[in-house]
Amino acid sequence: GAGVSQSPRYKVAKRGQDVALRCDPISGHVSLFWYQQALGQGPEFLTYFQNEAQLDKSGLPSDRFFAERPEGSVSTLKIQRTQQEDSAVYLCASSHNMETDTQYFGPGTRLTVL
Amino acid sequence: EDQVTQSPEALRLQEGESSSLNCSYTVSGLRGLFWYRQDPGKGPEFLFTLYSAGEEKEKERLKATLTKKESFLHITAPKPEDSATYLCAVRGGGSNYKLTFGKGTLLTVNP
Repeated sequence: GAGVSQSPRYKVAKRGQDVALRCDPISGHVSLFWYQQALGQGPEFLTYFQNEAQLDKSGLPSDRFFAERPEGSVSTLKIQRTQQEDSAVYLCASSHNMETDTQYFGPGTRLTVL
Repeated sequence: EDQVTQSPEALRLQEGESSSLNCSYTVSGLRGLFWYRQDPGKGPEFLFTLYSAGEEKEKERLKATLTKKESFLHITAPKPEDSATYLCAVRGGGSNYKLTFGKGTLLTVNP
C-alpha cells in the first residue's frame, strides 16, 4: 500500500517568511511524528500526535514552530518567520497505533532558508 | 536522557568484505532498539526492531544483535547496493514513543 507522503519535497524560503509542510500518513495510522534532520545528523524528535491530540511537543525548537492534525489524519508543520537555522530536512513518520513500535518515514521536505 | 552513539562515522568496504557497525546506547527502560537504512534524499527505511539482550534478527545480508549496552549490525558479503547511511535509534520507557537517533554510519561498498 501507499507509504507516508510529504509535500512539498523541496521548499526555499526567504528569511522571515512563513512556511507550511504537509504530511499524509499511512491510512489508518493513529500515531504521527515529526522529526528534524540537519545535514550529517540523525533525525531529532519535534512533536507527536495520537489521532488529533498533540501529546508531546517538547522537541519544537521555538514558539515559531507549530503543528496540527485537526482530523486525525493529515498533519501540517508550520514555521513562522523562518530563520537560516531552520534549514533542514523535516521528516514525518507514522505508526499503526500506540502499541506498535515501528515508525514508517516519509521522504521528507528539504527546507532551505536564504 | 536517552543517548545513542554510532561508530564508525564512515566505513568503506570492498564488495564481499564483511564487517560490523556499532550502536552504543544509554536509555531508561529500553522499549526497543531500531535500525533504519537511509539513502541520499530519502527518508529512513525500517530494517529491524530488537527488544531484549540476546535477541538477533536477520534480513538478507544483514544481521542485528543486541546486548544491554550496544547493538551491532553485521553485514555479510556486502554488495554495492548496500551502500547507505545506517541509523540506530532507541525508544525509552519515558519517551512517549519518540525515537532518539544516533548520527548514523555512512557505509560505502566498492565493487
